[in-house]
Amino acid sequence: EPEVTQTPSHQVTQMGQEVILRCVPISNHLYFYWYRQILGQKVEFLVSFYNNEISEKSEIFDDQFSVERPDGSNFTLKIRSTKLEDSAMYFCASPNPAVSTDTQYFGPGTRLTVL
Amino acid sequence: QKEVEQNSGPLSVPEGAIASLNCTYSDRGSQSFFWYRQYSGKSPELIMSIYSNGDKEDGRFTAQLNKASQYVSLLIRDSQPSDSATYLCAVVSGANQFYFGTGTSLTVIP
Repeated sequence: EPEVTQTPSHQVTQMGQEVILRCVPISNHLYFYWYRQILGQKVEFLVSFYNNEISEKSEIFDDQFSVERPDGSNFTLKIRSTKLEDSAMYFCASPNPAVSTDTQYFGPGTRLTVL
Repeated sequence: QKEVEQNSGPLSVPEGAIASLNCTYSDRGSQSFFWYRQYSGKSPELIMSIYSNGDKEDGRFTAQLNKASQYVSLLIRDSQPSDSATYLCAVVSGANQFYFGTGTSLTVIP
């Protein structure tokens, strides 16, 4: 089964610094998502990206956040001026078009720790 | 605000028993429903999807959907210790936006 990959697996940063989280989704599809999960809490939708544009974003996804597709295969989530409350697991997800377009398969996640 | 509610548990069942996990959702227009399993420190893993009222079986797992009651459940038959995890209910609303419940922690006792 195709996999979603994410790097790094763990990122430690100082408050106020910028971080970039990377993801390589399942290939040959257009939808892509970022989620976060604060320790002990539920998975929260951040943003969906379709055909190189933001499709939907939640109220969490404010001006501190941005997403890009710097090349044909990688997606990035940039968090500017990180805050302590940004500490969480960040997951990217994409459908597997071989199964259906509305399922979502998650990458292994990046654990972000803001000190 | 679209809500997905689950009992947080913990739910404990003996090995070999049936585990029953429940979920309710607030958006009556939702059409797609999913169950994920999440082991501690890992990412959610898709177990099943269900789109129509009734039951859908996949191995030891059965998902049940009742759109009129806005209720979706997951039954795990012949529970195994390896099934011990947190089970997440996810509901799709709007343009493919997933809403997750807080999850139910399941422990299968050998």
